Parts: sequence; C-alpha cells; structure tokens
Amino acid sequence: EDQVTQSPEALRLQEGESSSLNCSYTVSGLRGLFWYRQDPGKGPEFLFTLYSAGEEKEKERLKATLTKKESFLHITAPKPEDSATYLCAVNNAGNMLTFGGGTRLMVKP
Amino acid sequence: NAGVMQNPRHLVRRRGQEARLRCSPMKGHSHVYWYRQLPEEGLKFMVYLQKENIIDESGMPKERFSAEFPKEGPSILRIQQVVRGDSAAYFCASSPRQGIDIQYFGAGTRLSVL
Repeated sequence: EDQVTQSPEALRLQEGESSSLNCSYTVSGLRGLFWYRQDPGKGPEFLFTLYSAGEEKEKERLKATLTKKESFLHITAPKPEDSATYLCAVNNAGNMLTFGGGTRLMVKP
Repeated sequence: NAGVMQNPRHLVRRRGQEARLRCSPMKGHSHVYWYRQLPEEGLKFMVYLQKENIIDESGMPKERFSAEFPKEGPSILRIQQVVRGDSAAYFCASSPRQGIDIQYFGAGTRLSVL
C-alpha cells in the first residue's frame, strides 16, 4: 500500500527565515509526485509536479526537489502570505492521488 | 476560464437525510475525482469517473455512497441516510486526461450532519 509521510506536522518561521518541508513516500512505481498548497476553507492549489529523481522545480520563493525516497519543499525567505498547509501526494496507478497529512506552515512578520 | 466548481459550499443535513454534492469540472476536462477530508485527517481518494463511467471506486464506502458523471451536467456524489461520521469536506478534482496529469481541485463542499 502506498504511503506518504510529511514532516514536520507544523512549522513556525519568522519572516525571512528559510526552511524545508519533507515528504517521504513508499510507492510501487512512482509516476509523479505533487505538491499542493491549501488555505483554510479552500481546496488544494497545485504547485509542482516532479517525475524522476534529481528533478527540481522552482516558483517564486518555493523550490521542490525529488529523490527516490523523498521530496523536499524548500522555502526561501518566506513571507506571511506563504502561511498555509502544504500537501504532498503521489500518483502510481494513474487514477488516484495518495496524500500525506500535510505540513501547516505559519510565517510571522 | 472557470476552475472546478462545486456546490453547495456548505450543506447541513440531519441524520438519515440524503446529501447531494455537485461538481462541474474545468472546461475541457473529462476526468473527475472525488476526495474526502475528515476533520484532522488527510485527503482520501473516493472515486474516479469519466463521462458515464465509474473507473475506480476503490475508496468509496460500500454502502450509502454513490457517484455519477452523466453525459450532460455535473458529477454528483450522493450520500444516503447520512450519519454524523459523514461530516467532512468533500473535494472534487478534474484533469484533462488520466494518469500523471495534474488534478485541479474545487473549493469543496463542507457537509455537517446534525
């Protein structure tokens, strides 16, 4: 059974304090790893897709990386508006995403 | 270009009533997925549909839950005889193709069972 574990569950940062979120996965045949952002009361918003180990993608202050066992979401010089829950998900069979529990990020000014 | 539209946004039902949740996929998308987010839990896959076909319902409870995606109109997730444990946020996602394509999510329907 596919498993996705995210750590930490919650992370408090000061504005400008860079950090990384971890997503460890066990899946039989990874076809894609996805990062989403979810704000309270809203649906997940797509951020990145990574397909193979060594791949990296960047968007503004966010950078996602992928190895054979885990993915990292690096946040450089975060701002308060980056506060949200970040979700990691894997796709193997093509039909469904298996999600981790998420990391709740709080960035204080 | 409208995104995935879900309605209602909030739904309150008493135990034993029926709940109908609607999802209109993004324009040009023919694949629809339903997920459930229970309080303090992660998103869990329920069902995957294409027009007029259920492709994978491995995450759907065996009783009281059904889903459809007719040729015309939105996809419907139907919950009969709701119980308090059905209280959750239900999200719909759509993609233009199967597989590793990006799934775009709607804002969700928050179901509260009294």
